[in-house]
Amino acid sequence: LAKTTQPISMDSYEGQEVNITCSHNNIATNDYITWYQQFPSQGPRFIIQGYKTKVTNEVASLFIPADRKSSTLSLPRVSLSDTAVYYCLVGGHGGSQGNLIFGKGTKLSVKP
Amino acid sequence: KAGVTQTPRYLIKTRGQQVTLSCSPISGHRSVSWYQQTPGQGLQFLFEYFSETQRNKGNFPGRFSGRQFSNSRSEMNVSTLELGDSALYLCASSSPTETGEQYFGPGTRLTVT
Repeated sequence: LAKTTQPISMDSYEGQEVNITCSHNNIATNDYITWYQQFPSQGPRFIIQGYKTKVTNEVASLFIPADRKSSTLSLPRVSLSDTAVYYCLVGGHGGSQGNLIFGKGTKLSVKP
Repeated sequence: KAGVTQTPRYLIKTRGQQVTLSCSPISGHRSVSWYQQTPGQGLQFLFEYFSETQRNKGNFPGRFSGRQFSNSRSEMNVSTLELGDSALYLCASSSPTETGEQYFGPGTRLTVT
């Protein structure tokens, strides 16, 4: 499973767009890129997943360049409730994602 | 649709004892994974079960074991508890779709004294 590197922490203000970039230089051809969000003392929550180009859902967008060696999670107009740890994961070979390898994640702090 | 449920939510044990944690996946999910989360090591994968068979295993000692039943419910057991086993134990079930995203339960907070 490919190793990922992402910033340890980020600060933002309410209403701003937040972009968190993750590096995964050794991503394999059939690896997917998945992002999870975790609040203190809760289990991680799936945010978005993509393979290439851009994916958008009701909460976030995921940008993946052609070489797939990095990806960027974009959170539009964050609020205080978006303060959490965000994990970037690579792997899964499509349907098989039972053995997720979590890195340290990015601790996002949203201020009023 | 009900989410992943874990019991008990909180547990206090003493060193040397054993503990069994339970997880009920989302209906229709056949894959169940277990993770340990500590402040120092973060989220670490323990093992994954699919159709009652262990499909993947993380780098944990043999004191950590698990099983899955025919209804996909899963249990994990930790024997001869150590202080370092104090952690949040999370269970997740995987969606039977191509993306296979995982849905996590609220966790069991285990404290070993």
